[in-house]
Amino acid sequence: EAGVVQSPRYKIIEKKQPVAFWCNPISGHNTLYWYRQNLGQGPELLIRYENEEAVDDSQLPKDRFSAERLKGVDSTLKIQPAELGDSAVYLCASSQAREETQYFGPGTRLLVL
Amino acid sequence: GENVEQHPSTLSVQEGDSAVIKCTYSDSASNYFPWYKQELGKRPQLIIDIRSNVGEKKDQRIAVTLNKTAKHFSLHITETQPEDSAVYFCAASLVGVRIEKLVFGQGTRLTINP
Repeated sequence: EAGVVQSPRYKIIEKKQPVAFWCNPISGHNTLYWYRQNLGQGPELLIRYENEEAVDDSQLPKDRFSAERLKGVDSTLKIQPAELGDSAVYLCASSQAREETQYFGPGTRLLVL
Repeated sequence: GENVEQHPSTLSVQEGDSAVIKCTYSDSASNYFPWYKQELGKRPQLIIDIRSNVGEKKDQRIAVTLNKTAKHFSLHITETQPEDSAVYFCAASLVGVRIEKLVFGQGTRLTINP
């Protein structure tokens, strides 16, 4: 079974530039999560989707961050404009409906200069 | 909301010895407690989890214990091996009619010395 796929794996941009991350969850997983992991910290949830619906986005900085999950499968997370403090690893995870076990992707390491 | 504290932040043990990592949580309603292992530059991977209806769970060299009254849970690794070196994260969540978000601890960097 293929795991959660994310791209790109690394991204270096200058501040004020836009950036987008892509996630393909495990086939059949209805729930998709985006986390941000700062250096030396645990992952922090940004947004959670149940199919196409964002059911928990309370931690998403909505002034600059946006996310979408069209057709309830792949998802993109966008930052516009990026700030220096956005440098982190952005992790995507997925789980089956009504199952608590989350499977993580390899993450996208973002560096904002 | 839930808050999870994890300690120690770093742990170094000799190969073959045991390692123990402890976490406390604040929300007494939380009932699902997974542990993730993250090797350098790689994805977090679930290694074991426990639900609040049991006090202990084992899987080969790994065990997790839960004390609901004290609101803490611990990861125990016995007969440690070099490949156990990684960062370990605990987490807590409420699982019921709906699944609430996982709240992670700050992580423990475990180093196994040969």
